[in-house]
Amino acid sequence: KAGVTQTPRYLIKTRGQQVTLSCSPISGHRSVSWYQQTPGQGLQFLFEYFSETQRNKGNFPGRFSGRQFSNSRSEMNVSTLELGDSALYLCASSRRAQGVGEKLFFGSGTQLSVL
Amino acid sequence: GENVEQHPSTLSVQEGDSAVIKCTYSDSASNYFPWYKQELGKGPQLIIDIRSNVGEKKDQRIAVTLNKTAKHFSLHITETQPEDSAVYFCAASINAGGTSYGKLTFGQGTILTVHP
Repeated sequence: KAGVTQTPRYLIKTRGQQVTLSCSPISGHRSVSWYQQTPGQGLQFLFEYFSETQRNKGNFPGRFSGRQFSNSRSEMNVSTLELGDSALYLCASSRRAQGVGEKLFFGSGTQLSVL
Repeated sequence: GENVEQHPSTLSVQEGDSAVIKCTYSDSASNYFPWYKQELGKGPQLIIDIRSNVGEKKDQRIAVTLNKTAKHFSLHITETQPEDSAVYFCAASINAGGTSYGKLTFGQGTILTVHP
């Protein structure tokens, strides 16, 4: 079974530009979450989508947005890029079975560098 | 909101020794505690998890213990091997009423180095 796939693997942008990152979850998984990883702040939750609906959102500015498609694939968008947006962006998927302990499986991430 | 503290930030052991990483959490409503291993250039990989109704869970050389009263949980790796070298993250989440919102709060990570 293929894991979580994120594209592109690396991305270089300049300040003020916008960027779109893509995530394909594990087959059969219906929930997709996004995390930002930086050396200073660690792993921080961005948002979670299930059935094309945003279920939860972290403490990030409105420049960070996302969406989920009917096939569970997800994209996140960052507009008006700032230097501080340089980070590894991780996508994680889960099956979303009912009950406690929803196992999250991460992709390898998209390394975004803002110059 | 939830806050997770992880110690130590770096841990160096000899092959064959045991390694212990500890985490504390702030929100008593947290009820799910996974541990992730992240190798260079890869995303975090789930290695073991525990729910709040369980005090201990073991999987081969890896074990996790949970103390709900003290609000802390620990990862124990026995008979360490060089391939255990990686960054380890603890996390906590609140899963309420049978639904999950996928939000994990992570610790800052522990860089584990196992020397041959």
